[in-house]
Amino acid sequence: KNEVEQSPQNLTAQEGEFITINCSYSVGISALHWLQQHPGGGIVSLFMLSSGKKKHGRLIATINIQEKHSSLHITASHPRDSAVYICAVNSNSNTGNQFYFGTGTSLTVIP
Amino acid sequence: NAGVTQTPKFQVLKTGQSMTLQCAQDMNHEYMSWYRQDPGMGLRLIHYSVGAGITDQGEVPNGYNVSRSTTEDFPLRLLSAAPSQTSVYFCASSYNGHGNQPQHFGDGTRLSIL
Repeated sequence: KNEVEQSPQNLTAQEGEFITINCSYSVGISALHWLQQHPGGGIVSLFMLSSGKKKHGRLIATINIQEKHSSLHITASHPRDSAVYICAVNSNSNTGNQFYFGTGTSLTVIP
Repeated sequence: NAGVTQTPKFQVLKTGQSMTLQCAQDMNHEYMSWYRQDPGMGLRLIHYSVGAGITDQGEVPNGYNVSRSTTEDFPLRLLSAAPSQTSVYFCASSYNGHGNQPQHFGDGTRLSIL
C-alpha cells in the first residue's frame, strides 16, 4: 500500500507549456512537501504547505486537505525544469511522526 | 554554509563487508534521517534521530545501525553488506521532526554491493 500516489509517472512537455503534477495521500498529515531531484541526484525542497497555495517564481503548489490532494504547477515551462518531482507527506498518525514519499514524476521539457 | 554533507559519493563493497556512510550538517538541526532510494520506489526511511543521543527505526532498518553522539553528525553503518542493500542513500536534516520545516538533503551516496 502506498501512502502517497503521484501522477503522471512520466511527463514530456514542449517548452512554454503549463504543467500539472498531482499528488494524493491516504494518511493524516501535518504538512506536504514538494521536492525536486535533478539528474545527478541532488534533492532540493521546493515547497512545504499545510493549507492553501504557495507560489515561487513560475512554480505554484496547492493543497486540498479535505480531498487529500495536492498539485504542483509549472507555468511557462523551460528545459531547465526537467527533473523528477517528488511529493512527500509528514504523517501524524498513531505510529508516530514519519515522512512518506511518492515515487516521483519524471518531467522532460523539450526546447 | 555547507548544509548537509555526505561522504563518500560512491562506494563498491563485497558481500559481508561493513562500512559507514558519513553525514554531517552545520545548521544546528535537531532532526536527521537516512533514506534509501530504489528504482520504482519512493524514498524509504531507514533510521532517524530527533536529537543527540536519540535514534529510532524507520520503515526499513534491518541491516543498518546509527548513532547520534553530536548534533552535527549522524553516521549510518552497514553491518554486513548484502546485495539487497545496493541503493542510493540520502541523509537529510530539518530544524525539527514535526514535518512543518523544510528538509535539507545531502547529495547522496551510490552504494553497490557485489
